[in-house]
Amino acid sequence: DGGITQSPKYLFRKEGQNVTLSCEQNLNHDAMYWYRQDPGQGLRLIYYSQIVNDFQKGDIAEGYSVSREKKESFPLTVTSAQKNPTAFYLCASGLAGEETQYFGPGTRLLVL
Amino acid sequence: GQQVMQIPQYQHVQEGEDFTTYCNSSTTLSNIQWYKQRPGGHPVFLIQLVKSGEVKKQKRLTFQFGEAKKNSSLHITATQTTDVGTYFCAAEGGTSYGKLTFGQGTILTVHP
Repeated sequence: DGGITQSPKYLFRKEGQNVTLSCEQNLNHDAMYWYRQDPGQGLRLIYYSQIVNDFQKGDIAEGYSVSREKKESFPLTVTSAQKNPTAFYLCASGLAGEETQYFGPGTRLLVL
Repeated sequence: GQQVMQIPQYQHVQEGEDFTTYCNSSTTLSNIQWYKQRPGGHPVFLIQLVKSGEVKKQKRLTFQFGEAKKNSSLHITATQTTDVGTYFCAAEGGTSYGKLTFGQGTILTVHP
């Protein structure tokens, strides 16, 4: 099955903890993206990567970190520095040279 | 950075009524995309418009790109309960190739 997967579907975090959200794709896409969605709001870009071993900050990168060691994987770490991490996190991927993005099912993060 | 404004934020219709959402930018866009997100789901790509004045149809959905390439609309004729969800427009983010800027989305509710 080709596609983009995210895990876990739901994640609970205690205040002060770092957590890592997984994003994997087997679509052979070069570009990968992380978005945050808050209730009733649009998508805000956290980080994106156009190629392995390279990534750029999006509009709301503070309190987050990423890595892109493999083409298939783009994990997002929500650090304790992120003051309001409770949100729906969406990962997406796309082909180089094309703007269309394909989204994973998302991870809902709740801070207790 | 580039901003894309989308209106209305919410729209409630009776099944069978028409629905339109609008997307506006202060800058000329190279292209615009539309996505649909079902409740609890993730955004799914619907279509991309590239040419000035372009009109594309998908069954009951009609997508338009303005002549000046600064605005776009999505019109649904005779809504059905399956049309429920949030509709987003997205435009390529200025000088950052492959980076999309999403509108805030229009949440559509269809009453049977």
